[in-house]
Amino acid sequence: KQEVTQIPAALSVPEGENLVLNCSFTDSAIYNLQWFRQDPGKGLTSLLLIQSSQREQTSGRLNASLDKSSGRSTLYIAASQPGDSATYLCAVGNNRKLIWGLGTSLAVNP
Amino acid sequence: EPEVTQTPSHQVTQMGQEVILRCVPISNHLYFYWYRQILGQKVEFLVSFYNNEISEKSEIFDDQFSVERPDGSNFTLKIRSTKLEDSAMYFCASSAGQAKRGYTFGSGTRLTVV
Repeated sequence: KQEVTQIPAALSVPEGENLVLNCSFTDSAIYNLQWFRQDPGKGLTSLLLIQSSQREQTSGRLNASLDKSSGRSTLYIAASQPGDSATYLCAVGNNRKLIWGLGTSLAVNP
Repeated sequence: EPEVTQTPSHQVTQMGQEVILRCVPISNHLYFYWYRQILGQKVEFLVSFYNNEISEKSEIFDDQFSVERPDGSNFTLKIRSTKLEDSAMYFCASSAGQAKRGYTFGSGTRLTVV
């Protein structure tokens, strides 16, 4: 059974820092991996989608990598800003659904 | 950019009542999903729907739940005889193709059962 774990659970950094959020999964037989952002009490905004055949995806200050064989993905946020404060969720896709981590709660302090 | 629209954004219901949560998926998407997130817990898969039938459902999705695509645009989740533990954020999602294309989620309906 696929399990998704995200470390750290919470992170507080000063503005401007580069940071890395980690996601690990137990079953490497995945279709893709998607990173989402969730603001408190709000919906799920897709940030990056990495297919199983890809190693990384980039969007602006965000870069996500995937190492399927070791069951790991990282989300790199460059030059963090207070507006990046949110919970970041990692979700692993098989052919029918997403399996989710609990998220990393990020606070970027001005 | 195309969006998945969910209504209402917040619903309060009495225990034992029936609720219907509504979703308008992206128009050219073929696969539709419901997920839920109980406060402080992981997002959980409930059900997937394709070609007017359920393609997969989780253990959570028992006889209390049903889904329907009543017309060409809406996708609904009905919860019968609501319980306190049904209180959660319910998310609708759609996808153009099975899994490979990724998922687009709506902003959610917060259901509170009192």
